[in-house]
Amino acid sequence: SQTIHQWPATLVQPVGSPLSLECTVEGTSNPNLYWYRQAAGRGLQLLFYSVGIGQISSEVPQNLSASRPQDRQFILSSKKLLLSDSGFYLCAWSTQGGSPLHFGNGTRLTVT
Amino acid sequence: DAKTTQPPSMDCAEGRAANLPCNHSTISGNEYVYWYRQIHSQGPQYIIHGLKNNETNEMASLIITEDRKSSTLILPHATLRDTAVYYCIVRVAISFQKLVFGTGTRLLVSP
Repeated sequence: SQTIHQWPATLVQPVGSPLSLECTVEGTSNPNLYWYRQAAGRGLQLLFYSVGIGQISSEVPQNLSASRPQDRQFILSSKKLLLSDSGFYLCAWSTQGGSPLHFGNGTRLTVT
Repeated sequence: DAKTTQPPSMDCAEGRAANLPCNHSTISGNEYVYWYRQIHSQGPQYIIHGLKNNETNEMASLIITEDRKSSTLILPHATLRDTAVYYCIVRVAISFQKLVFGTGTRLLVSP
């Protein structure tokens, strides 16, 4: 069966520090991969999606970037965190055929 | 993606059926109805989806009206663990999953 792993579960980082969140998927090949962010009390916002290795599309201009170095690995990064980057970050995957999204358990990031 | 309208909150007694409505009056012919839920501090969990026929799985049933302008998610025997925010989303199934999550319905299941 397919599983998605996201880490760390929680993270507290100072303003201006770098960020690297990692997500890996097991049990499937060539998945679509996604990064979403959920601000406190709000809905989910799609940040990035990828349909293949090295193929990244950004949905909103921001202080973040994403990379997909391997088929089942998706990384969310920032060179310098802002207070506004605080939130709940979720990685998700789906098959290329358009199956439902399956989410990881998320990383709660607090920028202080 | 078409927009959906859901009540902001609902209550349900434990053991009773929870019926969560969703309006999607602008849905297109090739758009599916998806339901997800999010338990506090966890990632959203896929529940069920359908095009025009009613669907049932181990978690829930999905009833879609004949004109497809609305649907109802049914949790037949709600438990305390079903307390969550439930999201109704409509989208084309063949494209990549750019899901647009609204604010959903906060379901509170009480003893």
